[in-house]
Amino acid sequence: GQQVMQIPQYQHVQEGEDFTTYCNSSTTLSNIQWYKQRPGGHPVFLIQLVKSGEVKKQKRLTFQFGEAKKNSSLHITATQTTDVGTYFCAVVGDYKLSFGAGTTVTVRA
Amino acid sequence: DGGITQSPKYLFRKEGQNVTLSCEQNLNHDAMYWYRQDPGQGLRLIYYSQIVNDFQKGDIAEGYSVSREKKESFPLTVTSAQKNPTAFYLCATQIDRASGHTEAFFGQGTRLTVV
Repeated sequence: GQQVMQIPQYQHVQEGEDFTTYCNSSTTLSNIQWYKQRPGGHPVFLIQLVKSGEVKKQKRLTFQFGEAKKNSSLHITATQTTDVGTYFCAVVGDYKLSFGAGTTVTVRA
Repeated sequence: DGGITQSPKYLFRKEGQNVTLSCEQNLNHDAMYWYRQDPGQGLRLIYYSQIVNDFQKGDIAEGYSVSREKKESFPLTVTSAQKNPTAFYLCATQIDRASGHTEAFFGQGTRLTVV
């Protein structure tokens, strides 16, 4: 099945700063999804990207799909304590949904 | 009230015992999945099912079994053959691939502890 690598595994951010997490694949992806899991909770769908070079924004979150459709990024501006959690990318392939290992974000107030 | 119900939320079992985790959905979604999550780890796919009476092994199926006799239900049995069963288990559904809506919806999870 398709495998995606997420980096970094952990991200410690000062409140108010920006950060980016990346999702990389060795193969071309048909689409990519992003999820957020709050501590103690379950993953919640954020967005799906389908087109090459696609950029979508949700308030302070910017999602991008690479031109070659082999990587994706999530950029958060002006980090807040509500951004704490683990962010996963996921790919749909071979009739199954596979997740990356996630980036766990902690915020220093 | 629509959604995915996993029960119980916490489960304790003795080593060597089989245990079945429940997952019920009333969203009328075709696809259902079981994932395992260990502390600080990602989601690893155990089994998935696209339609009733059909299911496929995921990446870590050894020591687990499932059934899909009804569209609404996809129970997971953790058998005594699973070497390290203590983990957080998540059930998920997808609408259907044909519609193009492939986002997953998750249940609240079951935290299994084997002692």
